[in-house]
Amino acid sequence: DAGITQSPRHKVTETGTPVTLRCHQTENHRYMYWYRQDPGHGLRLIHYSYGVKDTDKGEVSDGYSVSRSKTEDFLLTLESATSSQTSVYFCAISAVGGNQPQHFGDGTRLSIL
Amino acid sequence: SQQGEEDPQALSIQEGENATMNCSYKTSINNLQWYRQNSGRGLVHLILIRSNEREKHSGRLRVTLDTSKKSSSLLITASRAADTASYFCATDASGGSNYKLTFGKGTLLTVNP
Repeated sequence: DAGITQSPRHKVTETGTPVTLRCHQTENHRYMYWYRQDPGHGLRLIHYSYGVKDTDKGEVSDGYSVSRSKTEDFLLTLESATSSQTSVYFCAISAVGGNQPQHFGDGTRLSIL
Repeated sequence: SQQGEEDPQALSIQEGENATMNCSYKTSINNLQWYRQNSGRGLVHLILIRSNEREKHSGRLRVTLDTSKKSSSLLITASRAADTASYFCATDASGGSNYKLTFGKGTLLTVNP
C-alpha cells in the first residue's frame, strides 16, 4: 500500500469550531488531493496541490482552505465548521498528475454537531 | 456536475457468477479509471484504459471503452465474496486540467457465498 496516513481517523466537534485534517505521505509524490464522500454524491474534490505551496480549488471548495508547506504534508482546514461539512474526508496522492492512478488514504470520519 | 455515472447503483450476485458494471460520461476524455472501495477503507485503483484503447484485461477484470457512446463497462469474472465492495469509475477531461479526476457515485456489488 502507498504510504499515506490521515489523521485523525475520527473526530466529533461542534459547529463553529476550527478543524484541521492532516494527510501525510512517504512516497514523495508531487500531487495531493482532498475529497469528501457523501451518500448520494460520491466522491467530490475539495482542493488539490500540484507542488509545495501550489494549490487550487476543486468542485466543493467553499468553507475549506488548504496548505502545503512541504512535499509530504497536505492540510485541510475548516475555519468554522458547519453541520453540512459532516462527511468522510479522503486524501489521495499521485506521482505524475491527476489523470493517472491516485492512491488513497483510509479516510477521516468527521461529525459536526 | 458528475462526469461519470455508474449503473446499476447496486448489484447482488452469487459467488462464481460474473458481475458487470457500467459507466457513462459526458465529455471527451484522455482516460478512464476504475476503483474499488471496501467498506470503511479508501479507494484502490484497479485499471486504467486510455481513450484510444477499446479493451483491457487485468486478472479477472475486463474493461471496455466505447468513446462513441461515452461509456465503459467493468466485468468481474468468477466473482468471489471478497469482491464485495463499491466500484467507481473516474474520468479526466480531455483538453481540461489534467490534474483532476471526476468520480461517479459508484456501484455497490454484493457477492453472496
